[in-house]
Amino acid sequence: GAVVSQHPSWVICKSGTSVKIECRSLDFQATTMFWYRQFPKQSLMLMATSNEGSKATYEQGVEKDKFLINHASLTLSTLTVTSAHPEDSSFYICSARRRVRPYEQYFGPGTRLTVT
Amino acid sequence: QQQVKQSPQSLIVQKGGISIINCAYENTAFDYFPWYQQFPGKGPALLIAIRPDVSEKKEGRFTISFNKSAKQFSLHIMDSQPGDSATYFCAASLGARGSQGNLIFGKGTKLSVKP
Repeated sequence: GAVVSQHPSWVICKSGTSVKIECRSLDFQATTMFWYRQFPKQSLMLMATSNEGSKATYEQGVEKDKFLINHASLTLSTLTVTSAHPEDSSFYICSARRRVRPYEQYFGPGTRLTVT
Repeated sequence: QQQVKQSPQSLIVQKGGISIINCAYENTAFDYFPWYQQFPGKGPALLIAIRPDVSEKKEGRFTISFNKSAKQFSLHIMDSQPGDSATYFCAASLGARGSQGNLIFGKGTKLSVKP
């Protein structure tokens, strides 16, 4: 149990375009979803936290107008990178927390974004 | 005070040996300490976790040792195998009380197990 999926697994887009990444909890309802960014050979950097039906809480230094997060339901959260630039190229990973044992986080497989 | 310090940065172990990764924290309010395993190009997977009311937890070849007074915890991988080669992250959070505490991650340890 506690499976989280992401789509797409990788995406290439041109500079200036927007790209949407989906995160789904497949076999549980996620009370909270998290979005992380990871650069090569580095740790995970939390970007934002979202609860279903409410606005996301962004970490300091993360541009909320650039990284739009929508937590539409208890099983789906989306991250939209708007007006992407090459410096936005990174590995984006979501995670989800459920009501049972809410201190545990389950991670998706990640999405590799390359902006050309 | 929110940091989790992880060492070593990289580790090479022979097949069958014991891999040991250490983490230290400052915030005594942390009450949940998970370890994650991440393979290249994949998301982290929860490996094993401990809460501060126990000093050790074992699951198969993986053991967490927890020293509350020293504010340290470590991951031991017994009989290390080449398939264990991955990056390991320790983390800590305030989340075991049902709060919305976020995970604070260490910087990771790249483990290579040589055949």
